[in-house]
Amino acid sequence: DTGVSQDPRHKITKRGQNVTFRCDPISEHNRLYWYRQTLGQGPEFLTYFQNEAQLEKSRLLSDRFSAERPKGSFSTLEIQRTEQGDSAMYLCASSGGDDSNQPQHFGDGTRLSIL
Amino acid sequence: AQKITQTQPGMFVQEKEAVTLDCTYDTSDQSYGLFWYKQPSSGEMIFLIYQGSYDEQNATEGRYSLNFQKARKSANLVISASQLGDSAMYFCAMRSNSGYSTLTFGKGTMLLVSP
Repeated sequence: DTGVSQDPRHKITKRGQNVTFRCDPISEHNRLYWYRQTLGQGPEFLTYFQNEAQLEKSRLLSDRFSAERPKGSFSTLEIQRTEQGDSAMYLCASSGGDDSNQPQHFGDGTRLSIL
Repeated sequence: AQKITQTQPGMFVQEKEAVTLDCTYDTSDQSYGLFWYKQPSSGEMIFLIYQGSYDEQNATEGRYSLNFQKARKSANLVISASQLGDSAMYFCAMRSNSGYSTLTFGKGTMLLVSP
């Protein structure tokens, strides 16, 4: 069990640029989640995958955001035409099994800074 | 809709003492789960403890215990024998068992443990 891995750890980019983040979940986990956390707040849900199917998206996920999990393993989150308000920590989590009390295990996050 | 309220922005405790972090929740669901996570300054979210809404006994995990009072909709975290390494942000979260297994987080409580 190597844990949830996220890449990159930090991303600094200019407003208007596109960015893509990657998440590698714990290998046997079929559920994958993306959250966004701004300063002084708890994480807010963005989107959820079960295997390769994207089953839920938050209203926070504007049209500029897209997420994929093509083979049911790693996932990518892309933000197009970044804005200042996109600056945040982007957290990925995974969980396994059918039991709803399984905890979600989080990665270290990708901190995005928009100049 | 679900809501988590953590009313303590910050808490101070001396090493080796016990501390209680408050969490109240609001939900119309009958079946749900409550979680506590720790987030050190490094950013990783670390799962601490879980309580199911139908669990009759309070959950315990080492020095962590959850004081679950269902009628009052509270799920306070008790940390016994505080250690310097316990200094971190602590988040309470809940998940409804009726929909997809996404988490709703509170705003967190910053705990500082002094020598």
